Amino acid sequence: ELKVEQNPLFLSMQEGKNYTIYCNYSTTSDRLYWYRQDPGKSLESLFVLLSNGAVKQEGRLMASLDTKARLSTLHITAAVHDLSATYFCAVASHTGTASKLTFGTGTRLQVTL
Amino acid sequence: KAGVTQTPRYLIKTRGQQVTLSCSPISGHRSVSWYQQTPGQGLQFLFEYFSETQRNKGNFPGRFSGRQFSNSRSEMNVSTLELGDSALYLCASSLGTSGRIEQYFGPGTRLTVT
Repeated sequence: ELKVEQNPLFLSMQEGKNYTIYCNYSTTSDRLYWYRQDPGKSLESLFVLLSNGAVKQEGRLMASLDTKARLSTLHITAAVHDLSATYFCAVASHTGTASKLTFGTGTRLQVTL
Repeated sequence: KAGVTQTPRYLIKTRGQQVTLSCSPISGHRSVSWYQQTPGQGLQFLFEYFSETQRNKGNFPGRFSGRQFSNSRSEMNVSTLELGDSALYLCASSLGTSGRIEQYFGPGTRLTVT
């Protein structure tokens, strides 16, 4: 059974600082997603990573994937308050044509002034 | 293009009752997946439907069921509600075909069981 571990669970950081969220998964997968969730809201898609060495960047967020290590990172550069949210990684698994996402526990990011 | 819609957005039910939640996917999307989000268990996969067929099912009791209609709209039903069923229920839609991988989530239905 696929297990997805995310750390840290909670991250308090000052504006302007850099930090990284880690996502480890237990079995081979061909897709890894990063989502953002604001309190009381749904999931907003940030990145989809498909292949080893994939790197995607959007604004102050950069995601990378190492399929050999079964590790993805979400790097935050020069954090701003607007980035405060909970971030989830999710790993796709397939059985025949069926698929599902297994989510990490989420990292609650709080950016303080 | 309209996004994924879910109705109702909020629902309060009593233990023992049943509930039906609805999800309308993005136009052209044929796959609908359902997830349950609770503070204790996080986000958990319930089931996936594609072209009116259930393709995958998560580890939930038989009280949780779903279906998909020919227009790709999906419903999930929970019978004999328990307090632990209180959660945010999210549906996600995608094209569902190989290589088309983006999953778009709806706003969710927040179910409270009292």
